[in-house]
Amino acid sequence: GQQVMQIPQYQHVQEGEDFTTYCNSSTTLSNIQWYKQRPGGHPVFLIQLVKSGEVKKQKRLTFQFGEAKKNSSLHITATQTTDVGTYFCACSGAGTYKYIFGTGTRLKVLA
Amino acid sequence: GAVVSQHPSRVICKSGTSVKIECRSLDFQATTMFWYRQFPKKSLMLMATSNEGSKATYEQGVEKDKFLINHASLTLSTLTVTSAHPEDSSFYICSATGTSQETQYFGPGTRLLVL
Repeated sequence: GQQVMQIPQYQHVQEGEDFTTYCNSSTTLSNIQWYKQRPGGHPVFLIQLVKSGEVKKQKRLTFQFGEAKKNSSLHITATQTTDVGTYFCACSGAGTYKYIFGTGTRLKVLA
Repeated sequence: GAVVSQHPSRVICKSGTSVKIECRSLDFQATTMFWYRQFPKKSLMLMATSNEGSKATYEQGVEKDKFLINHASLTLSTLTVTSAHPEDSSFYICSATGTSQETQYFGPGTRLLVL
């Protein structure tokens, strides 16, 4: 079945440093979503990418969908302590509405 | 924005009993609801997909007789963990999508502890 891996598993950064997490699917995707989950909380939707090579920005966050629609990245510029949490990608294949979540990247920001 | 509620937020039960978890979409009609399970510091594992008025589609390895899902209306889905055992202890989260089938709106989750 479909597998979705994220790297790195953990990342500790100093406040102000940049952060990137990568999401890789074993199969070609229809679309990909990104979520943030704070400790003790539930996943919160960040964005959805649909088109090959698509790049979307939300303030300090930049999301990119690979040309082959099998991978994606989330980049945070100048991290802040409020960015702490686990970032998950969620992948959907063609002809299905279900999403398979990636393994997640846990971000810790040191003040 | 779209709001999804879950009840209860926490439940402790004895081994062998059944527990029902409710997932409600409060301000939109949920065409599809998803049930996930999350172990501590792990990812969300999709258990099943349910559409209103039809049988749920379970993921491989998920026992449908143990995790009963009912999606009786466009705003309510229930997950019943039958004959719960300590290994069923986990964080159960539902999500719902509207007619656009795009964004998933997640409920706050239910923390189940089976003693």
